[in-house]
Amino acid sequence: DTAVSQTPKYLVTQMGNDKSIKCEQNLGHDTMYWYKQDSKKFLKIMFSYNNKELIINETVPNRFSPKSPDKAHLNLHINSLELGDSAVYFCASSQVSAERGSGYTFGSGTRLTVV
Amino acid sequence: GENVEQHPSTLSVQEGDSAVIKCTYSDSASNYFPWYKQELGKGPQLIIDIRSNVGEKKDQRIAVTLNKTAKHFSLHITETQPEDSAVYFCAASRGGFNKFYFGSGTKLNVKP
Repeated sequence: DTAVSQTPKYLVTQMGNDKSIKCEQNLGHDTMYWYKQDSKKFLKIMFSYNNKELIINETVPNRFSPKSPDKAHLNLHINSLELGDSAVYFCASSQVSAERGSGYTFGSGTRLTVV
Repeated sequence: GENVEQHPSTLSVQEGDSAVIKCTYSDSASNYFPWYKQELGKGPQLIIDIRSNVGEKKDQRIAVTLNKTAKHFSLHITETQPEDSAVYFCAASRGGFNKFYFGSGTKLNVKP
């Protein structure tokens, strides 16, 4: 009964490959996110979807493409992987109202290592 | 955009002592301030949050204070225990669909 689940937990791949990370939440939240955590632990938002609609798209290379087939799923596809893409990627979800902030529930992360 | 600064970057305390982590923010429109705890190999977990209409909030051994005028907020952990050892992140947001801006994290080490 994991709230936000990501797969895989670890991903080791060669430069130039294409890979996907999947995320699913069973909390009934309407908003999902992808965050990147670098080696210095800094958390930076990449994308946010609300009810399958993209609402935040940070300055991320277009090699990264999110896809939300429904509001419970948000997948991340990465083309032509580079060494600098190595990081931990976190999926998160929240139930947002237009007026009030609401805390995220994070998944356990996917450690991507590009060699 | 918002800029959130967090201090200290590392904090070592003896079990039973108190720990305080401080954050400042730049955007006066920010109105929601969550705190997250990240244990090794896990995702960040929300431990407490505060909204701009409140100056202080407590939950057992943890408390958060907010000074809107000075644009800073702090996390206070009393009677620290070894299981409090983790990386703690503050964040600020305008609320709604606006993104969170995270601080750079504080690694707390509680020595038994």
